[in-house]
Amino acid sequence: GENVEQHPSTLSVQEGDSAVIKCTYSDSASNYFPWYKQELGKRPQLIIDIRSNVGEKKDQRIAVTLNKTAKHFSLHITETQPEDSAVYFCAASMGNFNKFYFGSGTKLNVKP
Amino acid sequence: DTGVSQNPRHKITKRGQNVTFRCDPISEHNRLYWYRQTLGQGPEFLTYFQNEAQLEKSRLLSDRFSAERPKGSFSTLEIQRTEQGDSAMYLCASSSPDGLNTEAFFGQGTRLTVV
Repeated sequence: GENVEQHPSTLSVQEGDSAVIKCTYSDSASNYFPWYKQELGKRPQLIIDIRSNVGEKKDQRIAVTLNKTAKHFSLHITETQPEDSAVYFCAASMGNFNKFYFGSGTKLNVKP
Repeated sequence: DTGVSQNPRHKITKRGQNVTFRCDPISEHNRLYWYRQTLGQGPEFLTYFQNEAQLEKSRLLSDRFSAERPKGSFSTLEIQRTEQGDSAMYLCASSSPDGLNTEAFFGQGTRLTVV
């Protein structure tokens, strides 16, 4: 089955700096890669996603890049703010339903 | 809140007891998923329904676990003879009937503690 690895497990940045979280996947058949943000005690919420036919996608301060050859994808957050502090999960899925394989999460701390 | 709703939010049970959780998906979503999340880990897939049909089950779903979605709307997840290792957050998610992968909306989860 698919295996998704995520690094780093914790990330601390100063407000205004950029943050980058990286994930690798093992199954070349994976074709959909969402990123979820989970605040303490709350539900995971989708912040951005990318499909395998696209190399990069951006939404305001958030961007995701995908390298299919190397089987890795990354989340980039620019101009970080304290409210960006949360746990971020990458995931991969294949086919046409949302059976996600999640990474182990990155706890992002943005210091004011 | 018109999102995915899960009940109860918290459940404490003694080892060996049976527990049942409920998930109400977003009304127009015909796809429903159950995931389990332990502390410090990402959610792990348990099972998937399309309408009332259970189309896939993970090997994580032992014989003590059963999920149903009798009318293609809400779903229940039952754990029989609970064990301490069952302690986790159980998350439900739903998505729209599009053919491609689409955004999955998660509920707030049911946190199970087996003592």
